[in-house]
Amino acid sequence: GAVVSQHPSRVICKSGTSVKIECRSLDFQATTMFWYRQFPKQSLMLMATSNEGSKATYEQGVEKDKFLINHASLTLSTLTVTSAHPEDSSFYICSASSGISETQYFGPGTRLLVL
Amino acid sequence: GQQLNQSPQSMFIQEGEDVSMNCTSSSIFNTWLWYKQDPGEGPVLLIALYKAGELTSNGRLTAQFGITRKDSFLNISASIPSDVGIYFCAGPDYGGATNKLIFGTGTLLAVQP
Repeated sequence: GAVVSQHPSRVICKSGTSVKIECRSLDFQATTMFWYRQFPKQSLMLMATSNEGSKATYEQGVEKDKFLINHASLTLSTLTVTSAHPEDSSFYICSASSGISETQYFGPGTRLLVL
Repeated sequence: GQQLNQSPQSMFIQEGEDVSMNCTSSSIFNTWLWYKQDPGEGPVLLIALYKAGELTSNGRLTAQFGITRKDSFLNISASIPSDVGIYFCAGPDYGGATNKLIFGTGTLLAVQP
């Protein structure tokens, strides 16, 4: 149980284009989903928290207009990196929580490379 | 703010050896979570601890919730090559939004066959 999927697993795009990453909870309803970014040899950095049906809460320093988050259902959240630049290249990981406890279940991550 | 410090930062051991790593905080946590991250993958939950003093096992892994509620330990017995990865501790961010987690700095484990 508690399986979270992400799609795509890796994506290469040109600078200036937008990229959408999907996060799905496959066998439970996720009241809250989280989006993280991880640079090489570093820990996970929380970007934003999203609750189903409401606006995402962004961490300090994360541009909400650049990283658009939509949590339209209890099993799907999307992160869109708009007008991507090379410095946005990173490993993006989502997680989901059922809200019963603080435990988060993570997706396999999406490797983004912006050329 | 709350911070989680993990030690050691990295470990290089021989297959079959036991491993011990810990996570400490300057503030109290009511939940401790241990995750493992394989290269290029998302973290996978290993053990969750919810009570001070609790000792929980998951196969060759054993984790303990410190009595002071400011630390936790993870032990791996008889290590094998597939134990390689980064181990993160995590705890709830009580100063933030619902169910946010704070992650430790990570312990990199390398196992020599």
